[in-house]
Amino acid sequence: EVQLQESGPGLVKPSQSLSLTCSVTGYSITSNYWGWIRKFPGNKMEWIGHISYSGSTSYNPSLKSRISITRDTSKNQFFLQLNSVTTEDTATYYCARYNSGYSEGYFDYWGQGVMVTVSS
Amino acid sequence: DIVLTQSPALAVSLGQRATISCKTNQNVDYYGNSYMHWYQQKPGQQPKLLIYLASNLASGIPARFSGRGSGTDFTLTIDPVEADDTATYYCQQSRNLPWTFGGGTKLELK
Repeated sequence: EVQLQESGPGLVKPSQSLSLTCSVTGYSITSNYWGWIRKFPGNKMEWIGHISYSGSTSYNPSLKSRISITRDTSKNQFFLQLNSVTTEDTATYYCARYNSGYSEGYFDYWGQGVMVTVSS
Repeated sequence: DIVLTQSPALAVSLGQRATISCKTNQNVDYYGNSYMHWYQQKPGQQPKLLIYLASNLASGIPARFSGRGSGTDFTLTIDPVEADDTATYYCQQSRNLPWTFGGGTKLELK
């Protein structure tokens, strides 16, 4: 069974970087596409970006200057780094698997999510 | 970016039909597919895929759930509604990057 699990600090100070890990079991990240999505307080959801089976990436233009998605295939993990965070980055962050290629663009497996608060 | 609009809440009685709408400000059809998907999210849980490409039932989802629509107007129907269906439902488009989500519709029981 495919399982994803996010991990990372629950509290980040403004202007610092947020770093999250998504650990995948039951499926290799060298297949399919893998994404990050966040849900803000108040329920708005935002696609952050994704990394492909080959390591190529695509980012939401609203965040492009601040984010980086990378991976470690030996550990079957992929990562999100978001720089220069503000209180507006407070959200629950999810990692998820695309059902197939990103051309269809929907997510069939999701992690449980990790709540990140940006506060001094 | 494509904007998806959902009504914030819907109240229905047990055993009745719930119809949740999602309207987009741009056509999300392309070469015979409608790039619209639906998720259910309960408090404290991750989103669960219900419907993909507008009308296809995801694996393990009961047939009480169905989706339809094309172009800019889409609906998710739950018939009959069960108590376990109380949740927030989101639509998501994948016609154009960046993928975008609707604001969610909270389904409550009368």
